[in-house]
Amino acid sequence: EAGVAQSPRYKIIEKRQSVAFWCNPISGHATLYWYQQILGQGPKLLIQFQNNGVVDDSQLPKDRFSAERLKGVDSTLKIQPAKLEDSAVYLCASSSRQGTDTQYFGPGTRLTVL
Amino acid sequence: AQSVTQLDSQVPVFEEAPVELRCNYSSSVSVYLFWYVQYPNQGLQLLLKYLSGSTLVESINGFEAEFNKSQTSFHLRKPSVHISDTAEYFCAVSDDSGYSTLTFGKGTMLLVSP
Repeated sequence: EAGVAQSPRYKIIEKRQSVAFWCNPISGHATLYWYQQILGQGPKLLIQFQNNGVVDDSQLPKDRFSAERLKGVDSTLKIQPAKLEDSAVYLCASSSRQGTDTQYFGPGTRLTVL
Repeated sequence: AQSVTQLDSQVPVFEEAPVELRCNYSSSVSVYLFWYVQYPNQGLQLLLKYLSGSTLVESINGFEAEFNKSQTSFHLRKPSVHISDTAEYFCAVSDDSGYSTLTFGKGTMLLVSP
């Protein structure tokens, strides 16, 4: 079974530029998560989708971050415009259902904002 | 809301020595508890989880954790570590509603040397 795929693996941009990350969850997984992991900290949930609907986006900085999950499969996370403090690893995870089901994580995208 | 405290940012040990990684949580409701491991350049993987039942849970590679409600702790232990156990370990908590998201600690880097 293929795992969670993410691309790109690394991205370097200058502040005020835009960037987008892509995630392909495990086939059949209804729930998809985007996390932000700043160096030295644990992952922080940005947004959770159940199929193509948003379940929780309370910690997503909506003035600059947006995410979508069209057709309930792949998802993209966008930052526009980027700030220096957005430098982090962006992790995508999926699970078959919400709650106690195991979340499977992708390898992450390391973003550096200069 | 829940929170997780991992007091040790780094734990250096010698191979074949025992190790304990500490995790304390704070919550006003009943919780589920998780340990995730992140090997270098890889995504997070679930190591073990406590949902209900026996307070002692085990992983397939020799780790175990015990849920202690009175101490609000979920410490991770292994009686004899290997070089290959070198990784970052994250403790995480969610409430027991079945719909809550994970809150992660800051992580503990386990460094095993020969």
